[in-house]
Amino acid sequence: SAVISQKPSRDICQRGTSLTIQCQVDSQVTMMFWYRQQPGQSLTLIATANQGSEATYESGFVIDKFPISRPNLTFSTLTVSNMSPEDSSIYLCSVEHLVETQYFGPGTRLLVL
Amino acid sequence: DAKTTQPPSMDCAEGRAANLPCNHSTISGNEYVYWYRQIHSQGPQYIIHGLKNNETNEMASLIITEDRKSSTLILPHATLRDTAVYYCIVRVDDYKLSFGAGTTVTVRA
Repeated sequence: SAVISQKPSRDICQRGTSLTIQCQVDSQVTMMFWYRQQPGQSLTLIATANQGSEATYESGFVIDKFPISRPNLTFSTLTVSNMSPEDSSIYLCSVEHLVETQYFGPGTRLLVL
Repeated sequence: DAKTTQPPSMDCAEGRAANLPCNHSTISGNEYVYWYRQIHSQGPQYIIHGLKNNETNEMASLIITEDRKSSTLILPHATLRDTAVYYCIVRVDDYKLSFGAGTTVTVRA
């Protein structure tokens, strides 16, 4: 399986600020995904990030709020912009590795005050 | 996407087999059944997936009915570390995973 790391693992931020979350994988992958898990809820897909193309956002998520970069086949960033307490969540990246299998990172726990 | 239905919770005894059901009555012919689990506050862990045939790996077995409208994940010898939320997901070709509420499995000593 792919080994995925995320930075930071957790953070506490003030409302109105922005946080950039990094996702690093130990092998080259074409497809990377960003998910959000709000407290007590299941995972919701934010966007799909493929190298060499613009990220594709799911309904309810917009690029201005969650800009994503995908500069190469092993790395991606998700920025949570102009944060509010409602953005307090676990943010997870995942990668499509090998055929038909998606693996997840450990998550970034964000608390917005 | 086909939706899945899972019981919200279940208990099982340590050392016994845990059988986790999932209904996916609207599944299409090209949609795979995936199982993930999430141990408290960690990232989801891939367990197993299948299309038509039953599958087995070092973690679990997946039994898919012949009409593919339901499946069962079997943890052959549950341990306390298997306590987690288990998600049954039907995936189409677009690679997206749509997570439902899952089944909270509690393994008791």
